Amino acid sequence: RKEVEQDPGPFNVPEGATVAFNCTYSNSASQSFFWYRQDCRKEPKLLMSVYSSGNEDGRFTAQLNRASQYISLLIRDSKLSDSATYLCVVKEMNYGGSQGNLIFGKGTKLSVKP
Amino acid sequence: NAGVTQTPKFQVLKTGQSMTLQCAQDMNHNSMYWYRQDPGMGLRLIYYSASEGTTDKGEVPNGYNVSRLNKREFSLRLESAAPSQTSVYFCASSEVDGDTQYFGPGTRLTVL
Repeated sequence: RKEVEQDPGPFNVPEGATVAFNCTYSNSASQSFFWYRQDCRKEPKLLMSVYSSGNEDGRFTAQLNRASQYISLLIRDSKLSDSATYLCVVKEMNYGGSQGNLIFGKGTKLSVKP
Repeated sequence: NAGVTQTPKFQVLKTGQSMTLQCAQDMNHNSMYWYRQDPGMGLRLIYYSASEGTTDKGEVPNGYNVSRLNKREFSLRLESAAPSQTSVYFCASSEVDGDTQYFGPGTRLTVL
């Protein structure tokens, strides 16, 4: 099985802190990358896609390093509502007969404290 | 627009019982997926349906069957439940196979 590895955490940070999560993937042919967010006992939801040039969405910045097969997520000015598990997701091309299946990391847990 | 819906939300079964988990989406998506999520294991793909009329095995298909009833609905059946199938089951859909996936709220299944 192709792997997506993440530090499980937990990362315990104070409100307002900057926190970074990293993720590595094993299949160099992977083409698409995402960060999903999963709240406790809820379903995963797409946070943002990760583009080769890096991309930003408000307080969230995602970076991709294809040479090192490494993805990162930076959260600035952490809010209490950012507390969740963050899943690194990689799209595998040509998995079986599919155009590509998503491979999920096990997630990194973030807890933002007042 | 409800997105992806799943029934039931919770279920307790005895070993050997059968049941069907239901999933429906109202986004006119072509592709649908069933995952299970276990502590420390992350999300694992059980079966998927790239388009109406097709189904394929994922990473952990043993003990499960699926039916793509129509474009909206994709059901997962446990013919003879085992304790190892205790898990949270998520259904997801995407516009096309391999695209961003949208998840339902999950079914929490316990097999005694």
